[in-house]
Amino acid sequence: DGGITQSPKYLFRKEGQNVTLSCEQNLNHDAMYWYRQDPGQGLRLIYYSQIVNDFQKGDIAEGYSVSREKKESFPLTVTSAQKNPTAFYLCASSTIFQGRQPQHFGDGTRLSIL
Amino acid sequence: SQQGEEDPQALSIQEGENATMNCSYKTSINNLQWYRQNSGRGLVHLILIRSNEREKHSGRLRVTLDTSKKSSSLLITASRAADTASYFCATDESGGSNYKLTFGKGTLLTVNP
Repeated sequence: DGGITQSPKYLFRKEGQNVTLSCEQNLNHDAMYWYRQDPGQGLRLIYYSQIVNDFQKGDIAEGYSVSREKKESFPLTVTSAQKNPTAFYLCASSTIFQGRQPQHFGDGTRLSIL
Repeated sequence: SQQGEEDPQALSIQEGENATMNCSYKTSINNLQWYRQNSGRGLVHLILIRSNEREKHSGRLRVTLDTSKKSSSLLITASRAADTASYFCATDESGGSNYKLTFGKGTLLTVNP
């Protein structure tokens, strides 16, 4: 089945450590997105990419980094500069053919601090 | 900044009743989308309504859009316990060249059996 796979489902970070969240899609979508969701809150955009080797900062990019070396993959690194990383992280993708289209989401990675 | 704001924040109803959720936004949009999120899961797209549309149906879902009031409503008819979830509106602001959405904080719907 086509879809988006996020891994791991749960992740724990130690102080001063960088961690990388994986996001892979087999939907042949050009655009990919990373969101952060805090309890009882909506989604806030961290980074997005509309094409391979290009990405833009979203609303809360500080303390995060991404890469887009392949169309299928858009990993997110939570760096030690992100002082409050505990949250639910969601990856999404969409086609950009014929204008704005719905986004398809993975099942998220829950990141906690040890 | 928060573009979409859902109202109410939480809604509890009995199975078989209708559920109505509202969304208000601030800027001009290309389209407005509604998503559903089950606890601990990703979001699932429900319906998209374009700025030149006023109403759209999909199964038990009915969405309206009033661009003059910058508001939308999602109606779920004959609700079921399985409809228990959080519902988010998301707006695609017009004039931009990117494809990002701005999400509200959501309405938590509980359907009691």
